[in-house]
Amino acid sequence: AQTVTQSQPEMSVQEAETVTLSCTYDTSESDYYLFWYKQPPSRQMILVIRQEAYKQQNATENRFSVNFQKAAKSFSLKISDSQLGDAAMYFCAYRSAEGNRDDKIIFGKGTRLHILP
Amino acid sequence: NAGVTQTPKFQVLKTGQSMTLQCAQDMNHNSMYWYRQDPGMGLRLIYYSASEGTTDKGEVPNGYNVSRLNKREFSLRLESAAPSQTSVYFCASRERFTYGYTFGSGTRLTVV
Repeated sequence: AQTVTQSQPEMSVQEAETVTLSCTYDTSESDYYLFWYKQPPSRQMILVIRQEAYKQQNATENRFSVNFQKAAKSFSLKISDSQLGDAAMYFCAYRSAEGNRDDKIIFGKGTRLHILP
Repeated sequence: NAGVTQTPKFQVLKTGQSMTLQCAQDMNHNSMYWYRQDPGMGLRLIYYSASEGTTDKGEVPNGYNVSRLNKREFSLRLESAAPSQTSVYFCASRERFTYGYTFGSGTRLTVV
């Protein structure tokens, strides 16, 4: 069974600085997707970024980028120029590729990010 | 607005009471999911339905039942609520060959 581990329950970063959230996962599959979701105090789950395992290039979305290391099964999220609105719980998540029987998303336990003004 | 609608948003139950959490999506998605979120535990899958007419257990199904009433609706029932079921419940849906989920806004359930 696949697992997702986020080893940092909480982190803090100064506004305008850069922060990296860590995530490791375990799987025997070769084709899958990885995600970072953001959950602000509103409770809404917001997709921040995704990465397809077959792509070597790291995904980027504006100030958010990932460092995907497939062999190491590592998927970290870098937030550049941190803003107060980035304060939230961040979840790393895994999903098997299409065609696999189980298409459900598996979430890590989350990292709460605080932005210091 | 298109999306996933959950009702109710908040609920307080007494131990032993029953209730059904409703979820509906208007995006014609095939797959629907129920998760619970507890502090320090992330989101854990309760049940999911890969298509209309099918349901499967997730990681934490005990104490829950589900019904995929039609393609739009996927309900979660607590037959005899227990304090351990105090949680925030999320419904989500996904279309095949797309990447992530669309989430509802969640239901905060307290069992006293």
